[in-house]
Amino acid sequence: ILNVEQSPQSLHVQEGDSTNFTCSFPSSNFYALHWYRWETAKSPEALFVMTLNGDEKKKGRISATLNTKEGYSYLYIKGSQPEDSATYLCAFTGGTSGSARQLTFGSGTQLTVLP
Amino acid sequence: DSGVTQTPKHLITATGQRVTLRCSPRSGDLSVYWYQQSLDQGLQFLIQYYNGEERAKGNILERFSAQQFPDLHSELNLSSLELGDSALYFCASSVGQGEEQPQHFGDGTRLSIL
Repeated sequence: ILNVEQSPQSLHVQEGDSTNFTCSFPSSNFYALHWYRWETAKSPEALFVMTLNGDEKKKGRISATLNTKEGYSYLYIKGSQPEDSATYLCAFTGGTSGSARQLTFGSGTQLTVLP
Repeated sequence: DSGVTQTPKHLITATGQRVTLRCSPRSGDLSVYWYQQSLDQGLQFLIQYYNGEERAKGNILERFSAQQFPDLHSELNLSSLELGDSALYFCASSVGQGEEQPQHFGDGTRLSIL
């Protein structure tokens, strides 16, 4: 069983604040790390897929970094806006060849941005 | 709009019954994935099909089965339903079969077992 942990579980920030959260995953047999944004009453939306150690990806005010050697990824949001309020999910894929073909999702970080 | 269509949106049925959930992937996507989200649990991978063939299997119960048809739409069949099967079932699709590609999710089917 692959363990993917996200912290914190929930977070409240003021509009304009920058914030970040963590995804921890097994550091061996890494293949890819996904980040998704899931707004209430909608479906998860892909943000990033990262495959290389040291990878850094950016989409507007959101960016992510990846450290496969120590098994973590950070998601950063700069200047949070109320529309950034959502649950942010990470998903890991890796392991032995038999289990390398599925995503294991974390429980998510629920972000609320207060106006 | 992700381009992935799931029907029905809601389904209410009784224990012991059988239901079929349907998914049409995004145009051009060959892989279809099924996930289950139960109360207080994260998304659990059930099964993946790529171009009509089963590619990967997760924690899918024997009472559940799926298939992908030549037009690439997929169906998830749930039989002998139990109360614990109540959940949100998501379908996702991607272009290829690799896990380095983002998945595009449908809006889900909410299944309630009474």
